[in-house]
Amino acid sequence: DVKVTQSSRYLVKRTGEKVFLECVQDMDHENMFWYRQDPGLGLRLIYFSYDVKMKEKGDIPEGYSVSREKKERFSLILESASTNQTSMYLCASSWRGDLEYEQYFGPGTRLTVT
Amino acid sequence: AQKITQTQPGMFVQEKEAVTLDCTYDTSDQSYGLFWYKQPSSGEMIFLIYQGSYDEQNATEGRYSLNFQKARKSANLVISASQLGDSAMYFCAMITRLEYGNKLVFGAGTILRVKS
Repeated sequence: DVKVTQSSRYLVKRTGEKVFLECVQDMDHENMFWYRQDPGLGLRLIYFSYDVKMKEKGDIPEGYSVSREKKERFSLILESASTNQTSMYLCASSWRGDLEYEQYFGPGTRLTVT
Repeated sequence: AQKITQTQPGMFVQEKEAVTLDCTYDTSDQSYGLFWYKQPSSGEMIFLIYQGSYDEQNATEGRYSLNFQKARKSANLVISASQLGDSAMYFCAMITRLEYGNKLVFGAGTILRVKS
């Protein structure tokens, strides 16, 4: 079974703090993704990575950065957390290639910035 | 730009009845795919069904079927014989090719509540 894990289920941080969200997958997938989920907006892509050390901006990259030093691990970084980054963050991974390859999701991290 | 529209914020269905969740999409790509995911209250995203733009037959997976009407750009999910465990948020998503991978675009979701 594919497993995608995220470092925390719930996280509370203060405005201005640097925040790291970690994601690990165990299926040797090339692609990894970070989304945020907000009510009424669905999931929106923040960044994705198609290989180690490679990254591409998604639809809402402002205020975020990412790091992929190893194939199995993809980190999302909030350099200076703000209250408008309070959200559910979901990591996903998939094979590269055909469109029918589904994305496998982690359990999500609910981040609150106060 | 690709866009997914789910017009039903919430739906109710009686247990054992069928329900259709609507999804329309917009794209200029010739090759694309459509997914449906289920998100229970626990938060995990569960893959349900996939339809490719060149697939001639509607996809089916157990109690789930996808009513794909390419000319109308719709990809509705049909759940037959609803169960209480089907109560969840349902997302329609479209996958498109990028230069270095594939990208999923999601709709806003539909909350389904199954009544006993």
